[in-house]
Amino acid sequence: AQSVTQLGSHVSVSEGALVLLRCNYSSSVPPYLFWYVQYPNQGLQLLLKYTSAATLVKGINGFEAEFKKSETSFHLTKPSAHMSDAAEYFCAVSDQGNTGKLIFGQGTTLQVKP
Amino acid sequence: EAGVTQFPSHSVIEKGQTVTLRCDPISGHDNLYWYRRVMGKEIKFLLHFVKESKQDESGMPNNRFLAERTGGTYSTLKVQPAELEDSGVYFCASSPADGHNYGYTFGSGTRLTVV
Repeated sequence: AQSVTQLGSHVSVSEGALVLLRCNYSSSVPPYLFWYVQYPNQGLQLLLKYTSAATLVKGINGFEAEFKKSETSFHLTKPSAHMSDAAEYFCAVSDQGNTGKLIFGQGTTLQVKP
Repeated sequence: EAGVTQFPSHSVIEKGQTVTLRCDPISGHDNLYWYRRVMGKEIKFLLHFVKESKQDESGMPNNRFLAERTGGTYSTLKVQPAELEDSGVYFCASSPADGHNYGYTFGSGTRLTVV
């Protein structure tokens, strides 16, 4: 069965520092992977997705993620954190069956300190 | 294009009452999904519609939950009777046929509190 693990339920960085949110997945087939962000009092917004094209995926708001098959990882990074990046981030893998349902990690809350 | 719309945004009901949540997907999206996040837990899949047909309802907790998508447009999720453990945020998402490559658009969610 597919699963997603996000290491660290809370991550705190200083403004301007590197953001690194970790995501590991398990899948018996090449996965489709997604990062979503939820800002306070809002819904889930797609940041980026991996669909077996380029392993380095660029998303919105300066975020990017690298698919590493050997490490079964899809970590999310941003070179310089901004206060507006404070939110909860979710990594998800898409079910390879007909449904396409998403299997989510536990979520990581990013705090950005001034 | 208009996004995925859910309402109400918040609902507070008493245990034993009935609540109906509604989701309007993006026009033309055949796939419609319901998810739920119980406090402190991960977001979990409830069910999937393709047009008006239930493709997968393996995540539905029990028979107190009933989802419909009449005419393949909007969907409703009814909880009857509601229990305390049903509290959480219910998300709806939609996608066109190739959801893997397109991605899935989520609504803002309905926060359900059962007291």
